[in-house]
Amino acid sequence: EIVMTQSPATLSVALGEGATLSCRAGQSVSTDLAWYQQKPGQPPSLLIFGASTRASGIPARFSGSGSGTEFTLTISSLESEDFAVYFCQQYTEWPLTFGPGTTVDIQ
Amino acid sequence: QVRLQESGPGLVKPSQTLSLTCSVSGTAISTGAHYWSWIRQLPGKGLEWIGYIYYSGSTSYNPSLESRLIMSVDTSKNQFSLRLSSVTAADTAVYFCARVSGGANTLDRWGQGTLVTVSS
Repeated sequence: EIVMTQSPATLSVALGEGATLSCRAGQSVSTDLAWYQQKPGQPPSLLIFGASTRASGIPARFSGSGSGTEFTLTISSLESEDFAVYFCQQYTEWPLTFGPGTTVDIQ
Repeated sequence: QVRLQESGPGLVKPSQTLSLTCSVSGTAISTGAHYWSWIRQLPGKGLEWIGYIYYSGSTSYNPSLESRLIMSVDTSKNQFSLRLSSVTAADTAVYFCARVSGGANTLDRWGQGTLVTVSS
């Protein structure tokens, strides 16, 4: 299976500031990479697929980039509802695998 | 609006079988437009994909669980189910059902999840 890693484990950010989250795949996944946001007590919610395409209804402050093994999720200016855990997931092959997550909390 | 809802026992004894059902509303599993998946979230937040089932009954399982896993689908009830045998404390998790989006194999609709604890 393809192992996914994420860094940092925790990111402390002030309201209005930007955040950059990283995801690495153990082997190339092309652009078959998705990002999810999870808030406490809720299921994950799809943010980005195809490494850079925002899912329906996702605000433009969320952007994704990368291909192959290195990916980035950027939140341009954090709002209060953005403080959450973010997971990356590869879907280039089964089994689907997820990264361990990055927690974005309030500085 | 597509909705998924998990149901099943919240407590299972070690060595027994964990059984969960996902009820789907707002779309029909029988359209064949999607795979239907189970994912679990282990304590400490890690997400593990368990497997998927198609309306026809064809399945794909995570190799790490395959020997203990059976998934089934009932299109007349618009439900799909999970059975995981010989459970241990390591199977304690929040179990989610989800829809695999058409095209990309992302998970675009999720149930709220149900906590299953394995304990005597």
